[in-house]
Amino acid sequence: AQTVTQSQPEMSVQEAETVTLSCTYDTSESNYYLFWYKQPPSRQMILVIRQEAYKQQNATENRFSVNFQKAAKSFSLKISDSQLGDTAMYFCAFMKPLLSVDTGRRALTFGSGTRLQVQP
Amino acid sequence: KAGVTQTPRYLIKTRGQQVTLSCSPISGHRSVSWYQQTPGQGLQFLFEYFSETQRNKGNFPGRFSGRQFSNSRSEMNVSTLELGDSALYLCASSLDGGGGETQYFGPGTRLLVL
Repeated sequence: AQTVTQSQPEMSVQEAETVTLSCTYDTSESNYYLFWYKQPPSRQMILVIRQEAYKQQNATENRFSVNFQKAAKSFSLKISDSQLGDTAMYFCAFMKPLLSVDTGRRALTFGSGTRLQVQP
Repeated sequence: KAGVTQTPRYLIKTRGQQVTLSCSPISGHRSVSWYQQTPGQGLQFLFEYFSETQRNKGNFPGRFSGRQFSNSRSEMNVSTLELGDSALYLCASSLDGGGGETQYFGPGTRLLVL
């Protein structure tokens, strides 16, 4: 079974600075999907960024970008120009490919999350 | 489009009771997944429904069940509630649950079991 590890339970960053959240995963699949989700306090979870493992290019979405290192099984999230609204729990998640023989192929496997506080 | 909606938002039950939670997916989405979120276990997959059929199931006891209706709305039921069932239950929808599709989450139902 695959596992997702987020080794930083909490992080703090000053407004306008850059912060990187770490995520590593373990899988025997060669193709898969990775996600970063954001869960603001008392608000619903929203997608930040999505990466397909077979694509070499790192995904970016405005101030959010990832550093995807497939060989190292690492998928870190970089937030540039941090804003107060970025304060949230951030979850890294893994999804198996559709052709996986495992029945969990449509399920997200989440890491334990990193609580990010952006300081004014 | 309206997002994923979940009702009720909060519930308080006592041990031994049963509870039903409801989820309405984004219009046009046919796959609905359920997750349990607790401080101790984090986010865990419960099950996924598509076209009124359960396609995937996580590692939860049989007290946890679900169903999906022809309009893609889904319900999950927990019978014989235990204290450990206290959690935020999240529903997520996607178009058809295919390869790496983004899942869109609802606000959750917070269940407290006393």
